[in-house]
Amino acid sequence: SQTIHQWPATLVQPVGSPLSLECTVEGTSNPNLYWYRQAAGRGLQLLFYSVGIGQISSEVPQNLSASRPQDRQFILSSKKLLLSDSGFYLCAWSPGRLDEQYFGPGTRLTVT
Amino acid sequence: DAKTTQPTSMDCAEGRAANLPCNHSTISGNEYVYWYRQIHSQGPQYIIHGLKNNETNEMASLIITEDRKSSTLILPHATLRDTAVYYCIVRVVINTPLVFGKGTRLSVIA
Repeated sequence: SQTIHQWPATLVQPVGSPLSLECTVEGTSNPNLYWYRQAAGRGLQLLFYSVGIGQISSEVPQNLSASRPQDRQFILSSKKLLLSDSGFYLCAWSPGRLDEQYFGPGTRLTVT
Repeated sequence: DAKTTQPTSMDCAEGRAANLPCNHSTISGNEYVYWYRQIHSQGPQYIIHGLKNNETNEMASLIITEDRKSSTLILPHATLRDTAVYYCIVRVVINTPLVFGKGTRLSVIA
C-alpha cells in the first residue's frame, strides 16, 4: 500500500532563517506531488505541484520554492522565512490526472 | 477551474443524514465534482467524486443535478467523527491540482 510521510511534524523557526520541509511517498511510482499551506483559520492554498522529476509548477509567487530531486521526494524550501510563512503545510500525492489526492500528516510551522 | 459556493457552516444531529449543498453554476462539461473533508489539524481526506451520474461509496452519496449546476453530498448517518470542514471542488480534466475554497464547517451534535 502507498504511504506518504512528512517531517518534521512541528517546527518553530525565527524570522530570516532557512526552511526545508521534506515529503516522501512510498509504494507508488511517478506520482503527482503537491504542496499546500493552510494559514490559521483559512482554507488550503496550493503552493506548488509536480508531475515529474524536476518539473515544478508554482501557483503563488512568494519566498518559497520547491524541488523534486527524486521521483517520490518533494521538498519545500525558503532562504529567509517571514512571519507570514507560519501555517500548516501539507504534502499530497495522486496517481494520475483525475485521481483523488492523498494527504500527508502535515507540518505545523511557526515563525517567530 | 470553475468556482463553487458552499454555506459557511451547518449543524446536523447525530444519527441523522447530513446534506451538504454546493453550487457550481459555471461548471464545464469536462469538469468533475470532488468532495473532500478536513478534520481539525489533519490533512484533507478524499470522500467521493462524480461527473454527471449520482455516485455512492462507503462514506457518502453524491447527487448531481441534471444540469450539473449544483450537487449535494449526503452522509446518511452522521456521527460525531464526521465533524469537519467539507470542501466541494470542481476540477478540469488533464493534470491539474485541486483548488480548495473555504468549504462548509459541519458540526454534528449529540
